[in-house]
Amino acid sequence: GESVGLHLPTLSVQEGDNSIINCAYSNSASDYFIWYKQESGKGPQFIIDIRSNMDKRQGQRVTVLLNKTVKHLSLQIAATQPGDSAVYFCAESTGANSKLTFGKGITLSVRP
Amino acid sequence: SQTIHQWPATLVQPVGSPLSLECTVEGTSNPNLYWYRQAAGRGLQLLFYSVGIGQISSEVPQNLSASRPQDRQFILSSKKLLLSDSGFYLCAGQRLATNEKLFFGSGTQLSVL
Repeated sequence: GESVGLHLPTLSVQEGDNSIINCAYSNSASDYFIWYKQESGKGPQFIIDIRSNMDKRQGQRVTVLLNKTVKHLSLQIAATQPGDSAVYFCAESTGANSKLTFGKGITLSVRP
Repeated sequence: SQTIHQWPATLVQPVGSPLSLECTVEGTSNPNLYWYRQAAGRGLQLLFYSVGIGQISSEVPQNLSASRPQDRQFILSSKKLLLSDSGFYLCAGQRLATNEKLFFGSGTQLSVL
């Protein structure tokens, strides 16, 4: 799709600060959302997911927020560490056996 | 838990040569399987997906093809590679009849020279 050909935007944060990575989606029927982390040269790794019947879900140092009204998804990382430097992708899907649609991806760069 | 095995990790091939990348799945039966390509510093492009043996859907017209000869085996092929086929290829699996998270393999970095 269109987003595949674009260089990824970058978010730069200071080590120890909280990071917020945002993602907008367009399909109001999407009912499942997920965040992936991809380190250089590796496959994406699952971070956290959320279904549309929830608006917040917490994991270890991470929180996903879902605002269905404005079709917005965010990933919050508390006390960002150098190891959090990676590309982060959001993805959405609709119904069983449907494909995940990935967002553009954002590069998170942590300054020491 | 579901595990995706992909090999080789890196591959350098001359233009015009054939390609065969293999992906196998452990830990689940009848998975949905996917092939993605990723150019350096860019997003994920879905190439093919499969919901069962012999069932392949292509997302974009291209020089590549995919096959699923067995339930847990997914193969990406080309008869003649182009320079533009260079990229990072990822195989992913998903539990059948769900829209749940994909499990990704470790990827193959293909350089066509």
